[in-house]
Amino acid sequence: TQLLEQSPQFLSIQEGENLTVYCNSSSVFSSLQWYRQEPGEGPVLLVTVVTGGEVKKLKRLTFQFGDARKDSSLHITAAQPGDTGLYLCAGGSPGLMTTDSWGKLQFGAGTQVVVTP
Amino acid sequence: GAVVSQHPSRVICKSGTSVKIECRSLDFQATTMFWYRQFPKQSLMLMATSNEGSKATYEQGVEKDKFLINHASLTLSTLTVTSAHPEDSSFYICSASTGTGGLNEKLFFGSGTQLSVL
Repeated sequence: TQLLEQSPQFLSIQEGENLTVYCNSSSVFSSLQWYRQEPGEGPVLLVTVVTGGEVKKLKRLTFQFGDARKDSSLHITAAQPGDTGLYLCAGGSPGLMTTDSWGKLQFGAGTQVVVTP
Repeated sequence: GAVVSQHPSRVICKSGTSVKIECRSLDFQATTMFWYRQFPKQSLMLMATSNEGSKATYEQGVEKDKFLINHASLTLSTLTVTSAHPEDSSFYICSASTGTGGLNEKLFFGSGTQLSVL
């Protein structure tokens, strides 16, 4: 089983501050996804990164995939209360690119982010 | 984006009863759906992969007779928790694959079902 470790587990910051969430593994992933989940809801996909060293930006969110495709980070600039949520990273295994196996993602334990006004 | 509808959103049942949870892909056909379980403040744990027209594939440690999965059509998969007990209380989430395969494959999640067994 490939394990994804997320850090920190919990992050509480003031509105306007920056934050970074990390997702690390000892295994290589073919792709890595970031989700945000709110209480009582399913996860919502934020981004998918597939190329080592790839950087993707989504407004104030910047996602980076490590060169070796073993780690990723999510950086939020000038956080807002609406960014509050559980951030989950999920990795897809290399070589398992068939339809029924692609969805077999390994999820990290999540980082709970709280942004206070 | 694609929408996955999951019902009910919340269910409370007595110990020993069975509960059925539905997962529907509303605007796309999903040959593959996935069922997860999530405990409070923990991550999603994959329970099984549901394939339309064939038997579901269960992850290690998940009892197939306890968690019955039926994927009778390309837009509907159901999870039935049979003879539910308090330890089955959890947040159950489904997801559906767009089925395009490869790196552009997309996975959409339902809004989850909170099961409480008394």
